[in-house]
Formats: sequence, C-alpha cells, structure tokens
Amino acid sequence: DTEVTQTPKHLVMGMTNKKSLKCEQHMGHRAMYWYKQKAKKPPELMFVYSYEKLSINESVPSRFSPECPNSSLLNLHLHALQPEDSALYLCASSQRRQGGTEAFFGQGTRLTVV
Amino acid sequence: AQTVTQSQPEMSVQEAETVTLSCTYDTSESDYYLFWYKQPPSRQMILVIRQEAYKQQNATENRFSVNFQKAAKSFSLKISDSQLGDAAMYFCAYRRGANDMRFGAGTRLTVKP
Repeated sequence: DTEVTQTPKHLVMGMTNKKSLKCEQHMGHRAMYWYKQKAKKPPELMFVYSYEKLSINESVPSRFSPECPNSSLLNLHLHALQPEDSALYLCASSQRRQGGTEAFFGQGTRLTVV
Repeated sequence: AQTVTQSQPEMSVQEAETVTLSCTYDTSESDYYLFWYKQPPSRQMILVIRQEAYKQQNATENRFSVNFQKAAKSFSLKISDSQLGDAAMYFCAYRRGANDMRFGAGTRLTVKP
C-alpha cells in the first residue's frame, strides 16, 4: 500500500462554517505534511508533523488547526476561513523528515470558501 | 535559504520526441537531494525521479533521466519518446537533511499528437 488517502475530494464551505480535512497513510511513515496549492503555483508548506509532534508551522493563520491523532492520521481543522483560502490542500507523508526520503502525496482536497 | 528556479513556465513536445525541462537551485550545502515531481490534471503529485547530490551518476527511470551538474547547480529532466500521458505540470524540488521539500514554480508540459 503506497497510498495517501485524502477526504473529502471537494469541499465548499461558508466563512462561518467549521470543517475538517482528513489524511491517512498505512506505509509506516513517521513524517506527515500539509501543503496549500493555489492554481498554477507550486505547493506551499503549511505544517509538518514528525513522530506525531508538530515540527513546523509556517506562519499559518490560526483559522487552520492541524492535528495528528496517531501515526497514520492527519487532520486539518478549518474555522472562519476567508475566500482567499480557497485552494487545493495536499497531504503528504515520508518515512522520516531527514534525508532523501521522497514524499508521497494524496490527491488533495479542492476547497472553495464562499 | 535554498531556492529552486524553473525558468520555463511552459514547454511543448511532439509525441515520440524528446524534451528537456530545466531546473537550477541555490545552496551552499554539499549534501542534499533533488526530485522531479509530476502533477497531472488528476492533481496528485507523483515522484518521477530522485538524485542524491553525493552521487556523480545521473539518475534514470525508464524514459526519464536527469542531467545533474553539481558545480553549476543545475538539475534538468529529459523525457524521451514523449507520450500523451506525460502531459502535466512538472515541479523540481530540493531537500536537505531535516529541512523540508521546497518546490520550483513548475513547468507545464504539453504533448502534441
């Protein structure tokens, strides 16, 4: 199993809603990532979890709240988002943070904030 | 900070022909890793090829190969015998140690039948 599974694939939410994005991998990877990707742009790193601990928060607004309940799951809780937060949100995992271990990506959640 | 530059926003190739995508990077480190990822319209980022900086031999994966010039900090991707399924955004990426992957701006490849 070399898959990273993200749900939902599409999400439309109002600015007052609370929603969550989910990511799951069963490759035994100990590093998991959230990226944000705007149209025709490269992915931008948001958060990194290493061994279920938050390692990096790239100055992301507090309306985005990550959670890593266990080594296989990664959530991104969304609250009071703005229209400019509409983007593709990609989850990725790698064996560990160090070295040349490549990242495996999910198919992403296309988020639209209305 | 490390930066990755892809100077070709768009490229086009005829089916069965060869195309080369360019990537340069800036680093003061000697030990690092470079990647090419492909993102088709299906959105999923797929690893195409990986190169360890300490290896002089250029990486090859079937129709995909790289030209790694460490001194010039250049890491180009060559796609041979291009196929329609190769059409996608291609991102060059850099990673060192515990630092996380950083991507270039991407090159959109079109394959003409």
